[in-house]
Amino acid sequence: DIQMTQSPSSVSASVGDRVTITCRASQGIGNWLAWYQHKPGKAPRLLIYAASSLQSGVPSRFSGSRSGTDFTLTISSLQPEDFATYYCQQANSFPRTFGQGTKVEIK
Amino acid sequence: EVQLVESGGGLVQPGRSLRLSCAASGFTFDDCAMHWVRQAPGKGLEWVSGIDWNGGSIGYADSVKGRFIISRDNAKNSLYLQMNSLRAEDTALYYCAKDKRNQGLFDYWGQGTLVTVSS
Repeated sequence: DIQMTQSPSSVSASVGDRVTITCRASQGIGNWLAWYQHKPGKAPRLLIYAASSLQSGVPSRFSGSRSGTDFTLTISSLQPEDFATYYCQQANSFPRTFGQGTKVEIK
Repeated sequence: EVQLVESGGGLVQPGRSLRLSCAASGFTFDDCAMHWVRQAPGKGLEWVSGIDWNGGSIGYADSVKGRFIISRDNAKNSLYLQMNSLRAEDTALYYCAKDKRNQGLFDYWGQGTLVTVSS
């Protein structure tokens, strides 16, 4: 199985900050990576697919990138509605696997 | 508008069975692979199972393989998860999720149905 190692597990940030979350795959997955935002009591929301493609309706302050088996989600200017938990997920092979999650908290 | 509505959750004793359903609308159901994803209390997201458009390709997480069965009825626009030999560690909120263009990632999710396994 492909392991997805996400870091950090939590980050404290202020509105307007730039936030970066990293996900490392245990083996090559090409660009088969997605990022999700999850708020308590709500369904998860797809933000980024194919490592760097922005899902329709998602603000442009969210971006994704890839370097080998390392993937990054960047929020360029954190907004109040962005405080949530973020997950990466590999879509390269079964079983699909998620990272452990990164909770973005208010500083 | 895409809608996914899960049902069938509840309190069940260890070793018993439960069947979850997901009613889909707002898209061409038989064009899409579908999945179940769960979140245990205080834990992260865990993919449980996925099925392609006609049931020809199915996958399971190791944690549920041999106990859970995914299926679909395209005539009823419905997805199912038959959960057998339930364990306390299966306690979770179970989400139904639509596959984005059969790429193995999830562009629409339901609100979830809660399964609690306890004696």
